[in-house]
Amino acid sequence: AQKVTQAQTEISVVEKEDVTLDCVYETRDTTYYLFWYKQPPSGELVFLIRRNSFDEQNEISGRYSWNFQKSTSSFNFTITASQVVDSAVYFCALSSTRGYQKVTFGTGTKLQVIP
Amino acid sequence: DVKVTQSSRYLVKRTGEKVFLECVQDMDHENMFWYRQDPGLGLRLIYFSYDVKMKEKGDIPEGYSVSREKKERFSLILESASTNQTSMYLCASSLRGENNEQFFGPGTRLTVL
Repeated sequence: AQKVTQAQTEISVVEKEDVTLDCVYETRDTTYYLFWYKQPPSGELVFLIRRNSFDEQNEISGRYSWNFQKSTSSFNFTITASQVVDSAVYFCALSSTRGYQKVTFGTGTKLQVIP
Repeated sequence: DVKVTQSSRYLVKRTGEKVFLECVQDMDHENMFWYRQDPGLGLRLIYFSYDVKMKEKGDIPEGYSVSREKKERFSLILESASTNQTSMYLCASSLRGENNEQFFGPGTRLTVL
């Protein structure tokens, strides 16, 4: 069975602070994919990033960066210089390569950026 | 602009009613998904379809059924709605393959009285 744990239920930061959202996963697969999605107050989840299990390079996209560490089964997401528009629920997800393409989501981290 | 649309944003039904939630995507995606989202539980997969007329149970299929007669449309059916099915229901679609991101609809907030 696969599992995704987002231990932080809610985080509040003041605008311009950096914030890291944690994601820890469990899977028996050797090949798998990890995702982050953002759910703004409007409700529609939006894809942010995908990473496959063979690519441990960190990725940076503007103010967003992701740190994938297979040794600790973690795929953490950092927002640098947070803005009010970053306020949302963020979900980490894991995709299995076995059987059908089932995706397991974490419980989400609600980020509030205070102006 | 690619889209996943859901038939209703808000729905109120009574216990025992049969409820249909419709989802349509215009991206020619093979995969379609139904999730429910509850506070503290994240997104849980109810059913998944990888092709027309094909379906697979997710983690919580009890009390639900699905129908996929056309590629673009995936329906979730509550045969006899119960109060514990009050939730936010999210539909998503993706291209075939475990490495493809899912595109989500805006969700349907269902209340069962």
